[in-house]
Amino acid sequence: AQSVTQPDIHITVSEGASLELRCNYSYGATPYLFWYVQSPGQGLQLLLKYFSGDTLVQGIKGFEAEFKRSQSSFNLRKPSVHWSDAAEYFCAVSSGSNYQLIWGAGTKLIIKP
Amino acid sequence: DGGITQSPKYLFRKEGQNVTLSCEQNLNHDAMYWYRQDPGQGLRLIYYSQIVNDFQKGDIAEGYSVSREKKESFPLTVTSAQKNPTAFYLCASSLYFEADTEAFFGQGTRLTVV
Repeated sequence: AQSVTQPDIHITVSEGASLELRCNYSYGATPYLFWYVQSPGQGLQLLLKYFSGDTLVQGIKGFEAEFKRSQSSFNLRKPSVHWSDAAEYFCAVSSGSNYQLIWGAGTKLIIKP
Repeated sequence: DGGITQSPKYLFRKEGQNVTLSCEQNLNHDAMYWYRQDPGQGLRLIYYSQIVNDFQKGDIAEGYSVSREKKESFPLTVTSAQKNPTAFYLCASSLYFEADTEAFFGQGTRLTVV
């Protein structure tokens, strides 16, 4: 079955520290990969997406993600987090044979001052 | 400004009542979606519509109904048959129903059964 796993329910990092949020997927077809961010009580906003080409993709707000086919992973990174990055982050996957997005359970990011 | 508007932001329902959540978009998008969000479970698809006058059940459609009579509007009715309706409901739209399209989200409606 198709699935997306975000192993970390929540992560705490200090302001200014680097960040990596993990996402692993199980998909039979070539995946289309997305990262979304949700501020408390709000809707979701797209950070970045990967369909093909360069496996390192740049997104908004200084985020980047790297697609690693051999590891079935699409981890999100940021070199230096800001207090405003505190939010919940969702990884999602679709494919050319299944247009519906499959969502991970989310990772809540907490920033220590 | 273009976007998706959900109303109301908070909604309280008595057991046994039907309630309707509103979702309007002015992005001229063909596809629209309703998701339910519960803590620790990510987003689960309730219904989606690829085009006006068409809609399909998602993974958890039981106890919900929708209509798509206008391109801009995709209201969701939570019926009394939905046994556990307390949740955060998100409406989304995309330009078309394809794997590579970005979904745009509304601000959500929090429904509480009292």
